[in-house]
Amino acid sequence: NAGVTQTPKFRILKIGQSMTLQCTQDMNHNYMYWYRQDPGMGLKLIYYSVGAGITDKGEVPNGYNVSRSTTEDFPLRLELAAPSQTSVYFCASSQGTVRGNTEAFFGQGTRLTVV
Amino acid sequence: AQSVTQLGSHVSVSEGALVLLRCNYSSSVPPYLFWYVQYPNQGLQLLLKYTTGATLVKGINGFEAEFKKSETSFHLTKPSAHMSDAAEYFCAVSWGSGAGGGNKLTFGTGTQLKVEL
Repeated sequence: NAGVTQTPKFRILKIGQSMTLQCTQDMNHNYMYWYRQDPGMGLKLIYYSVGAGITDKGEVPNGYNVSRSTTEDFPLRLELAAPSQTSVYFCASSQGTVRGNTEAFFGQGTRLTVV
Repeated sequence: AQSVTQLGSHVSVSEGALVLLRCNYSSSVPPYLFWYVQYPNQGLQLLLKYTTGATLVKGINGFEAEFKKSETSFHLTKPSAHMSDAAEYFCAVSWGSGAGGGNKLTFGTGTQLKVEL
């Protein structure tokens, strides 16, 4: 199983450019998430989705957009890249439960630099 | 406010020594608790989790953690460190649907473990 696949692995953007980070999972998980990781800050939740057609904001959503048209895919869109968006981005998925007690499975990450 | 704290951003141990990485949560409702490991330039991998039942949880690579409700802690231990354990370790919590947390994980700031010869 591929699990959670993210593309690209690395990207350099200029300020004001836009791009889409791709994420796909083959585990038929209903929940998907986007986190960003900054040194010494842990992982912060950007957006999440509880199923196709349903998305919601996390802790740090400003400057990002998401969509979930299928169970498998959850792309993250940066419309106007800013240096503050330089980070490592992780996509994750989980089989959400009523109790909320399941672990998330992570992709390998996308290292984004905005210059 | 609900939060998770990892004490010590960097921990250094000798090979063969005990590993102890600390994690505390702040909440009146006990959460579901997880430890993840991240090797350089990789994603996060689940080490172990506590959701219900026995409070001493065993994970992969010889790690274990004990949930102590009275201390609001979930510290990670390994009796004997190996060079291959050098990585960053994250404690994460889910407060569950009943507490409004759903299935979202909240992460601590991470502890970088260094293992020296």
